[in-house]
Amino acid sequence: EPEVTQTPSHQVTQMGQEVILRCVPISNHLYFYWYRQILGQKVEFLVSFYNNEISEKSEIFDDQFSVERPDGSNFTLKIRSTKLEDSAMYFCASSRPNGYTFGSGTRLTVV
Amino acid sequence: KNEVEQSPQNLTAQEGEFITINCSYSVGISALHWLQQHPGGGIVSLFMLSSGKKKHGRLIATINIQEKHSSLHITASHPRDSAVYICAARTAAGNKLTFGGGTRVLVKP
Repeated sequence: EPEVTQTPSHQVTQMGQEVILRCVPISNHLYFYWYRQILGQKVEFLVSFYNNEISEKSEIFDDQFSVERPDGSNFTLKIRSTKLEDSAMYFCASSRPNGYTFGSGTRLTVV
Repeated sequence: KNEVEQSPQNLTAQEGEFITINCSYSVGISALHWLQQHPGGGIVSLFMLSSGKKKHGRLIATINIQEKHSSLHITASHPRDSAVYICAARTAAGNKLTFGGGTRVLVKP
C-alpha cells in the first residue's frame, strides 16, 4: 500500500536555528498538508498545498514557516529561527477525495 | 470555526468487551475521519465517512449527519486495540481536518 514518507524521524535543533522537515507524499494524491501535535495536545492544521501553491493556512503558519515542493516528489516544511514552543510532532499528509494518508511524523525538539 | 469534541477522554476495558467512542462536531462537514495513533506517534487512517455506517473487521463507524455525531465501536476488544483513537472533521469548504482531542483506550487481558 502506498505510504507517505517523512524524514528525519527525530530532529534536535538549537533555538534560533533553521530546520527543514521532508516529506514524500503519495504520487497520485492532489492535496498535501502539514499538521503538528504539541505533546499532550490536539493535532493542529498548519497548511495545505494544492497545484503548487498554498491553498489554506492556519494562524499558526506565520512568516516563520514556509513550504515548498522543490521537485515532483518532495514536499518540505521549513521553520526559520526555531523557538522552544516549536517542539512538537510534525505530520505530513496527502489526500485524494476518497481518503487521507499520514506520514509517521518527525519529532522536533528545540533546545 | 468547527469544534470537534470526543468522549470519553480515557477508557479502560477488559478483553472481549464492546467499546464505544463518541465524536460530535459543530458545523457541516464533507467527511468524518476516524484515526488511530499508537504510542510511537504515527497516525493511521481507519475510516472516512460521509453518511451511514462502515465496518472493517471488529471496527464499526457510524455517522448521523443531522445530529452532527459519529461513533466508533470496537467489538470483542483485544489488548492490541490499545491506542489513542481520534476523530477529525473535514469541512465542506476545504480539505483540512479539524481534530478532536482523542480517546485513550486501554484494553486489559
